[in-house]
Order: sequence, then C-alpha cells, then structure tokens
Amino acid sequence: KAGVTQTPRYLIKTRGQQVTLSCSPISGHRSVSWYQQTPGQGLQFLFEYFSETQRNKGNFPGRFSGRQFSNSRSEMNVSTLELGDSALYLCASSLEGPRYGYTFGSGTRLTVV
Amino acid sequence: SQQGEEDPQALSIQEGENATMNCSYKTSINNLQWYRQNSGRGLVHLILIRSNEREKHSGRLRVTLDTSKKSSSLLITASRAADTASYFCATQPFGNEKLTFGTGTRLTIIP
Repeated sequence: KAGVTQTPRYLIKTRGQQVTLSCSPISGHRSVSWYQQTPGQGLQFLFEYFSETQRNKGNFPGRFSGRQFSNSRSEMNVSTLELGDSALYLCASSLEGPRYGYTFGSGTRLTVV
Repeated sequence: SQQGEEDPQALSIQEGENATMNCSYKTSINNLQWYRQNSGRGLVHLILIRSNEREKHSGRLRVTLDTSKKSSSLLITASRAADTASYFCATQPFGNEKLTFGTGTRLTIIP
C-alpha cells in the first residue's frame, strides 16, 4: 500500500510570506501528526489530528496552524514566515494514534530566505 | 521540549560489532518507541515497547525498558553498514496522544 505522501518535497520562501504543506496519510489511518525538525531543536511536536479534530498541540506560535479533511488528508500552514522556520517538516500517520507507532513521510524541506 | 535524552550522542563501531544506545525520559509513559532516520529523510518505526513489558526483540534489535529508572536501551547486534543512521527514542504518556522524541544518537558503522 502507498506510504505517507508529503508535498512539496522542497520549498523556498521569502520572509513574511505564508506556506501550506500537504500530507496524505496511509489509507485508513485517521491520526496525523506534524513535527518540525531542526539541527538545534531536534524533533518538535506541532500538532496531532484525529478524524478532523485537533487532539494535541505543541508549543508553537499561532502562526503555525493545521487542519484535517474528511479523507484524513492534512495540511499545515505557516504564516508570516521567519528565518527560524527553516526546517524539515515531517508528517506521520497511524490508525488511531501514536500508541501503535507512526509511519512517517519523507518530509518537506522548507527554506526561508 | 525533549522528553527523552539519548546517550551517547554519537557512536562509531566496526561492522559486525554490537551497538547499544540508551534513552532516559522524565515522566510516566504508556509506551516507548524507537525510530531510525537516514540522512534527514523521514523516520522509520523500529519497535514499540509498552510500559508493562521489560524486553522486546525484532530481528537484530533488542529493546529493554526499565520504568523504575525511566530508561530504555536499544541493542543492534551484528551491525551492518546499512545501519548507519540516527536513532531516536520517543515516548507517549498515559492519556495523551502526543509522541515526544528524544535528541537522537548518530550511529556510524565503519566497514
């Protein structure tokens, strides 16, 4: 079966712009989580969605938002981009949540210039 | 914030040797998971151990969990060049669907 698909793979944006990243989970998976990975901070949890509802949110400013659609596909949006938002953004999916382990996508590499 | 801390931060061993990496965490957990990441790609789930389990095996992997010490170890036996990667532990607390990752161990296998 297809894995977790993240698009785009690479993205270059200018400070102040906004960006939307997309994640298509494995078919049948209803839980989707997003993580930001940087060399300095490591893997930081952004938010987790289950059946279109946000169940958990990490400690990120309100510029970071997300949503999940009825087909479990998820998007995350970052508004007013800052240089520090440059990172690898990873999406992970699971049947019902992390208690069964996650399958990760290959990530979106965002560079803010 | 990081729930887990891996030790060592980096490890280099000869091919064929065993590699052991450790993870310590701070709060009570429902389960602990280990993941592998190659060169900034996505993470691959290796093994999950629940709080009521002490040891688990999967192929060349052996994971132990000591909830009294809030620590876990991952042993990779008979290492191969393809095992070169970063390894992360991740913990899920009770009653919370948030999975928190540790800082990772960078493992290099020397052919």
